[in-house]
Amino acid sequence: AQSVTQPDIHITVSEGASLELRCNYSYGATPYLFWYVQSPGQGLQLLLKYFSGDTLVQGIKGFEAEFKRSQSSFNLRKPSVHWSDAAEYFCAIDSGGGADGLTFGKGTHLIIQP
Amino acid sequence: EAQVTQNPRYLITVTGKKLTVTCSQNMNHEYMSWYRQDPGLGLRQIYYSMNVEVTDKGDVPEGYKVSRKEKRNFPLILESPSPNQTSLYFCASSSITSGGYNEQFFGPGTRLTVL
Repeated sequence: AQSVTQPDIHITVSEGASLELRCNYSYGATPYLFWYVQSPGQGLQLLLKYFSGDTLVQGIKGFEAEFKRSQSSFNLRKPSVHWSDAAEYFCAIDSGGGADGLTFGKGTHLIIQP
Repeated sequence: EAQVTQNPRYLITVTGKKLTVTCSQNMNHEYMSWYRQDPGLGLRQIYYSMNVEVTDKGDVPEGYKVSRKEKRNFPLILESPSPNQTSLYFCASSSITSGGYNEQFFGPGTRLTVL
């Protein structure tokens, strides 16, 4: 069975500092990979996705993520965080081409310090 | 505007009182699904549907029913809600075509409290 691990439940970062959120997955092949963000009281917004090709993908809001096959990882990064980035971040995978649903990690809660 | 809508957005009910959360999409997507989100557990799939009259269980189907009589609608039914079904629910949809991945679009969520 596939699974997603986000090892950090909470992360606190100072405004303007860099950010890296970790995501590891377990699956026999390379799945489709996603990062979603959920702001307080809001729904899910897709930040970026990896299907194939260049392993460094750019997303919205200045985020990027790098797929590393050897480490089964898909870490999310941002060079300089803003207070508005405070939110819950979810890594997700899909192995079935969209038909079997997404498997989500448990989420990382990002806190931004002034 | 392409979107997935859910109603109601917020609902407080009592144990045992049947309720339905509606989900509708205007993108002519074949695939629709329901997830629940709980603190510390992320999102887990409840049921999904590949097309009209085709539904199947996800990871946590107990206590829920769904139907897919029309392509655009995929209601979630709780016949006898219990407090452990207090959660944030998301509906999602995507197209199903050969040759490539079709990402899921999520609704805004329905926050359900069962007393």
